[in-house]
Amino acid sequence: AQKVTQAQTEISVVEKEDVTLDCVYETRDTTYYLFWYKQPPSGELVFLIRRNSFDEQNEISGRYSWNFQKSTSSFNFTITASQVVDSAVYFCALSEITTSGTYKYIFGTGTRLKVLA
Amino acid sequence: GEEVAQTPKHLVRGEGQKAKLYCAPIKGHSYVFWYQQVLKNEFKFLISFQNENVFDETGMPKERFSAKCLPNSPCSLEIQATKLEDSAVYFCASSQAGTGKNIQYFGAGTRLSVL
Repeated sequence: AQKVTQAQTEISVVEKEDVTLDCVYETRDTTYYLFWYKQPPSGELVFLIRRNSFDEQNEISGRYSWNFQKSTSSFNFTITASQVVDSAVYFCALSEITTSGTYKYIFGTGTRLKVLA
Repeated sequence: GEEVAQTPKHLVRGEGQKAKLYCAPIKGHSYVFWYQQVLKNEFKFLISFQNENVFDETGMPKERFSAKCLPNSPCSLEIQATKLEDSAVYFCASSQAGTGKNIQYFGAGTRLSVL
């Protein structure tokens, strides 16, 4: 069965520290897509990144970077020099393609990040 | 519009009352998805549409939940005879196409409280 595990329920760091949020997935598909979303205290879900299964290059966007490792089925997210505004719940998601050709997201249970000033 | 618009932001219903939630997808997006976020941040997929056609309804509790996407109207999710366990945040998302690589853009959610 398709599954996404975010084992870290909550992480607290002090501003300017680096922090890594873990995401481990299970899928039967050979081609698949992974996503990260941010849910700030205001509640909306903000798209951060999409990664496909055949591109294992790491990605960097400003202070954010993502490490995709197919061998360990992981797609981890690192925030460098964290800021208070990074405080949010972060969700990892896997796109599940059904036998009828439709698709939907399977979400992890999220990691709450608290960045203290 | 350029973002997914969900209304209302908050909805309070007594047990047994009806609740109706609305979602306007991003202009040009053909696919709409509904998810329920319950305690402990669990997301449950409910239903998806391709334009006005049901794309996948495998997550819908069919007895009390129904949904529609009609042309030139916001999509809607309706819960007849709400129960306490329906209390959750309901998110709507839209995407341009229906393949697994497509990014889903989410609205701000509707928080439903059933008392």
